[in-house]
Order: sequence, then structure tokens, then C-alpha cells
Amino acid sequence: TQLLEQSPQFLSIQEGENLTVYCNSSSVFSSLQWYRQEPGEGPVLLVTVVTGGEVKKLKRLTFQFGDARKDSSLHITAAQPGDTGLYLCAGEETSGSRLTFGEGTQLTVNP
Amino acid sequence: ETGVTQTPRHLVMGMTNKKSLKCEQHLGHNAMYWYKQSAKKPLELMFVYNFKEQTENNSVPSRFSPECPNSSHLFLHLHTLQPEDSALYLCASSQDRLIYGYTFGSGTRLTVV
Repeated sequence: TQLLEQSPQFLSIQEGENLTVYCNSSSVFSSLQWYRQEPGEGPVLLVTVVTGGEVKKLKRLTFQFGDARKDSSLHITAAQPGDTGLYLCAGEETSGSRLTFGEGTQLTVNP
Repeated sequence: ETGVTQTPRHLVMGMTNKKSLKCEQHLGHNAMYWYKQSAKKPLELMFVYNFKEQTENNSVPSRFSPECPNSSHLFLHLHTLQPEDSALYLCASSQDRLIYGYTFGSGTRLTVV
């Protein structure tokens, strides 16, 4: 099983600040997904990135897949309290047999 | 409503009890999954079903027994669990997961006492 490390584990910021969270591996993934999980709910898919170097934007969220397809980042501009949640990255192993999840970054945006 | 419904939402059971978790999806997805989510650990894949056939058992103890009677329903039967089995159990379904990812249910919060 290929491993994904997410950093930081916890992040607490004020409304309006920018932030970046990271997802890293020593292995290559064929694709990578980001999910957000709110308390008492299951994860919800935010984006899928497939091509090395790919950048996708979803309103104030910008996702990037590393050129070597071993890492990814999520940047949030002008964070809002509604962005609070657990952000999970998940990589599709090159064997295509399963999705491997990272431990997540717990983000808290204070009003 | 996420399209994947899990019941019950919360369950407290003794170590000698037998209980079942239920998952239902009417999204037309052909794959269904059970995941275990524990604090400070990545989601752990437990079982995978494709077209109601089990295609993966990730070395899960036999006290967890899955059942998939059709492509819309998935059960997880529990018996003689241990306190360390307390966790959030998530069901997910997918169709073309590389593009659309997983659709997760809200989970069952299980506490073993």
C-alpha cells in the first residue's frame, strides 16, 4: 500500500487568511482526490487531479498535482468559517486496485 | 442527503452482542465499500464489492462479516467486537471513481463497551 502524508495535521486561522495544506508521498499515484469532511458526516469529494502539474480551481480553493504525481497541495484564499473541516487527500495507486487516504488536515477558521 | 444512507447513525454495543450496520444507495453505482475511520489514523479500507461480488477483504478480522445481497445494499454484521473496534464506519459507493470519486454515507458511530 502506498502511503500519503498530510501536513499540517491541525491548522487554526482567522477568517480572511490564506492557507495551504499539503499531501506528500514517495510513490507515484495515477490520480489524486481531495475530500472535505464535516463533523458527523462522511467525506465529500472536492476535486480529482489526474495530470502531473495540473491546477484546478474551485472558487477560493486551488488544487495542484505535482509534476511527478507524488504530491499535491490545496490553497484556500480568504478562508471563511464555512471552510472548517477535515481535508483528506486520497491517491489512486498505480496498480489501480484501491484508493489510499491520508490522515487529513483538521482546519478551523475562526470568525 | 448524499445519496448513500447509513443506519443506524449511532450504535453502542457490548462485546457479546450481535448487531448489523446497513448501507443503501440508489445512485446506480456498481461498487460499494466499507471503511473504518479512527481518530488520528487514515481511513482504512475493509471490504470492496463490485456488482455485489466481494473483490477485496483487507485482512479484516472475522468478527466483521459483510453481506451484499444486491448492488444497492451493503451490510456489515458485527459480533464479539472489542473496545478497539470503536470507530466511525463509513460506507461508500462509486461508479468511475477516477472521475467521480466516492460518494460516502454519513457513517455509523460505533462504541463497543
